[in-house]
Amino acid sequence: DAGITQSPRYKITETGRQVTLMCHQTWSHSYMFWYRQDLGHGLRLIYYSAAADITDKGEVPDGYVVSRSKTENFPLTLESATRSQTSVYFCASSVRGIDYEQYFGPGTRLTVT
Amino acid sequence: DAKTTQPTSMDCAEGRAANLPCNHSTISGNEYVYWYRQIHSQGPQYIIHGLKNNETNEMASLIITEDRKSSTLILPHATLRDTAVYYCIVRAQSSSGGGADGLTFGKGTHLIIQP
Repeated sequence: DAGITQSPRYKITETGRQVTLMCHQTWSHSYMFWYRQDLGHGLRLIYYSAAADITDKGEVPDGYVVSRSKTENFPLTLESATRSQTSVYFCASSVRGIDYEQYFGPGTRLTVT
Repeated sequence: DAKTTQPTSMDCAEGRAANLPCNHSTISGNEYVYWYRQIHSQGPQYIIHGLKNNETNEMASLIITEDRKSSTLILPHATLRDTAVYYCIVRAQSSSGGGADGLTFGKGTHLIIQP
């Protein structure tokens, strides 16, 4: 039971570069989410998706792009990385929605230099 | 969502039951109590949730008082791997699955299991 996986686990990139964080879940959950977690800010929702080809903005979407062509994958792209995007990124999934239990991946620690 | 209050930290001996309290005196009738935890350098982990009745699963038990103003998460036989920050949140369940209101954790309780 692989559950929800994220890759890479660690990434260092330079300011201005494009970087994509991958998220894959094996449960066929309808909903998927991207959060970032920073000291002093806690968890913040970036984007979420209710189903394949349906995505919507969360609390802090600026500078990020998502897509969901398949139910199991939900990649997050930083089009032009900035130092303020240095963070730990968590992908999560849920059967029924954001108000229901969410299952998180192990996280990607991203450093933008 | 209603606000919750948890102790900042707690210790528990390995093998004993860990009882983590949470106050949510302003909880509304349609709000559930959820518990998550986050082990250092790992993603948050869903533990259990409940509305009124006590709940039990393979990880823990959740005891909710009759007035629903407080609850207790019980880890029956704590191990060193249970050392983590435990978060209690209250949240209504939307029939439409909810909108853009992501999970928000407070400061939680840092549970330290002592060998």
